[in-house]
Amino acid sequence: EVQLVESGGGLVQPGGSLRLSCAASGFTFSNYAMHWVRQAPGKGLEYVSAISSNENITYYANSVKGRFTISRDNSKNMLYLQMVSLRTEDMAVYYCARAGVGGSGWYRNDYWGQGTLVTVSS
Amino acid sequence: QSALTQPASVSGSPGQSITISCTGTSSDVGGYNYVSWYQQHPRKAPKLMIYDVSNRPSGVSNRFSGSKSGNTASLTISGLQAEDEADYYCSSYTTSSTLPVFGGGTKLTVL
Repeated sequence: EVQLVESGGGLVQPGGSLRLSCAASGFTFSNYAMHWVRQAPGKGLEYVSAISSNENITYYANSVKGRFTISRDNSKNMLYLQMVSLRTEDMAVYYCARAGVGGSGWYRNDYWGQGTLVTVSS
Repeated sequence: QSALTQPASVSGSPGQSITISCTGTSSDVGGYNYVSWYQQHPRKAPKLMIYDVSNRPSGVSNRFSGSKSGNTASLTISGLQAEDEADYYCSSYTTSSTLPVFGGGTKLTVL
């Protein structure tokens, strides 16, 4: 069974830092690209960042570029999101999500974690 | 403002069919067959319902179907059931970004 379990969320002050983790199991993690998607309270979904299966390619939303860093450790089946210079508008539930397979797989997510809440407040 | 436009809400009675639209441009929905649909129940993670415009992942009910015409993609749910009440989001590849884009979401109410 595919499982994605996020952790690392919590309360942080504006300007602070946080590192989110996502533990993957039930599939060959190194074969799949991964995404981080966030959802602000009462709002819609937003892609935050993506990383290819072999870590060669990373993408970021303009809203987080230069502040967030996505990475992965295929030996540990782990996905990470390092967040610095956090702003109140970064407050959201952060989901890790597995990209699909095939040529169009990058543009969909077939499995999602339960999410971890990041609260940015003084 | 989301890159893809969805109605804020739709409603239907049990047994009926409803359709949710997702309007973009030729740079996203209209130009590529990389449209996905997600269902999200309150306080739950999204679930992939349709990908590549009209493909259903294994395990998704055949009451859910997708289509596209021009710059507008559509999700149709037939034989509406109470459990279908949820938020629905479309997503698409776009030439305007290195990441896919979501629609603003549509709240489906089963009357």
